[in-house]
Amino acid sequence: GAGVSQSPSNKVTEKGKDVELRCDPISGHTALYWYRQRLGQGLEFLIYFQGNSAPDKSGLPSDRFSAERTGESVSTLTIQRTQQEDSAVYLCASRGRGSSYNSPLHFGNGTRLTVT
Amino acid sequence: AQSVTQLDSQVPVFEEAPVELRCNYSSSVSVYLFWYVQYPNQGLQLLLKYLSGSTLVKGINGFEAEFNKSQTSFHLRKPSVHISDTAEYFCAVLGAGGTSYGKLTFGQGTILTVHP
Repeated sequence: GAGVSQSPSNKVTEKGKDVELRCDPISGHTALYWYRQRLGQGLEFLIYFQGNSAPDKSGLPSDRFSAERTGESVSTLTIQRTQQEDSAVYLCASRGRGSSYNSPLHFGNGTRLTVT
Repeated sequence: AQSVTQLDSQVPVFEEAPVELRCNYSSSVSVYLFWYVQYPNQGLQLLLKYLSGSTLVKGINGFEAEFNKSQTSFHLRKPSVHISDTAEYFCAVLGAGGTSYGKLTFGQGTILTVHP
């Protein structure tokens, strides 16, 4: 079946504008993660959903960042009043229903955000 | 809290030479360990994982890793690399309890470049 899908694949925005990034996990996947990958750096954990609840929001960098998930499907990551330091690749990953929680994640190809 | 340190940001190596990519972790609870690989212009994919049992685990493409609990390490090795192994490699730990339960933390990544 289809993998994790993220849109847009690339987004260029002006400083101060709001952006919304979308993640469509694999159908039936209950766990969903968002990570940020800045140029030359590792993956930075942002938030994790189990179903539509977020047990761990500890990675969100500031109150400009928020994320939602509807049921066990689409998730959106919203960044308000974007800053240049928000430029990064935003990765989404999911894990299947019935899989043990230590099962590997399936990653999307990411959204490359550039704030000018 | 948990953290992952990949000791080398870049590793250049000649084709058919052996390679070791180092990973050390810190966690207050038990962890599960993973290596993911990101080939150029592709998404992250699982290379191998350690959940329990034998501390030497084998993954795809001839890679293996050894879990050393006393040294809190999970180094990745391959006895003979190919040009096609050129990629970025990420070590990751998944907390098995406490506040780290379900949280997958990545290292900064190691770029492996295989030269002919």
